[in-house]
Amino acid sequence: KQEVTQIPAALSVPEGENLVLNCSFTDSAIYNLQWFRQDPGKGLTSLLLIQSSQREQTSGRLNASLDKSSGRSTLYIAASQPGDSATYLCAVSGNTGKLIFGQGTTLQVKP
Amino acid sequence: GAGVSQTPSNKVTEKGKYVELRCDPISGHTALYWYRQSLGQGPEFLIYFQGTGAADDSGLPNDRFFAVRPEGSVSTLKIQRTERGDSAVYLCASSLKGTVPQETQYFGPGTRLLVL
Repeated sequence: KQEVTQIPAALSVPEGENLVLNCSFTDSAIYNLQWFRQDPGKGLTSLLLIQSSQREQTSGRLNASLDKSSGRSTLYIAASQPGDSATYLCAVSGNTGKLIFGQGTTLQVKP
Repeated sequence: GAGVSQTPSNKVTEKGKYVELRCDPISGHTALYWYRQSLGQGPEFLIYFQGTGAADDSGLPNDRFFAVRPEGSVSTLKIQRTERGDSAVYLCASSLKGTVPQETQYFGPGTRLLVL
């Protein structure tokens, strides 16, 4: 059974810092890995999707990497801003669209 | 180009009552997913529709939970004899085809269900 773990559960950093969020999964037979952002009381917004054949994806200040063989992904956020404060969720997908999520990392960026 | 919408946004009910939660996917999206998110946890998969049929209902916790999508667009998640443990945010997502695992799923804002 696939399990997804995110570390740390919570993170607080001063504005401007670069930071890394970690995600690990137990079964390397995935089709893709996605990183989502969730703001309080809101739904999920997809940030980056990495297909199993890819090693990384970039969007603006965000960079996500995938090491399928070791079951790990990282989300790197450069020059963090208070507006980045949210919960970040990692999810993996098998050969259907069903997503299996980690429990999330709650990020607070202090001005 | 409306996104995924869910109604109601909040629902308070008493233990033992029946509730229905509605999801309107993005127009033209074939695949529709229901997830449940408990406080402090990531979403958990419940059921996936490809068109009108449930392609995977392995996440439904028990037979009190049922979902339909009769015309391949709007879906309703139905919970019978609600229990306090059913309290959670119920999220709906849709994607264009569903048969392509690389597709992005677009999530609605969720329905917050509280069972007293």
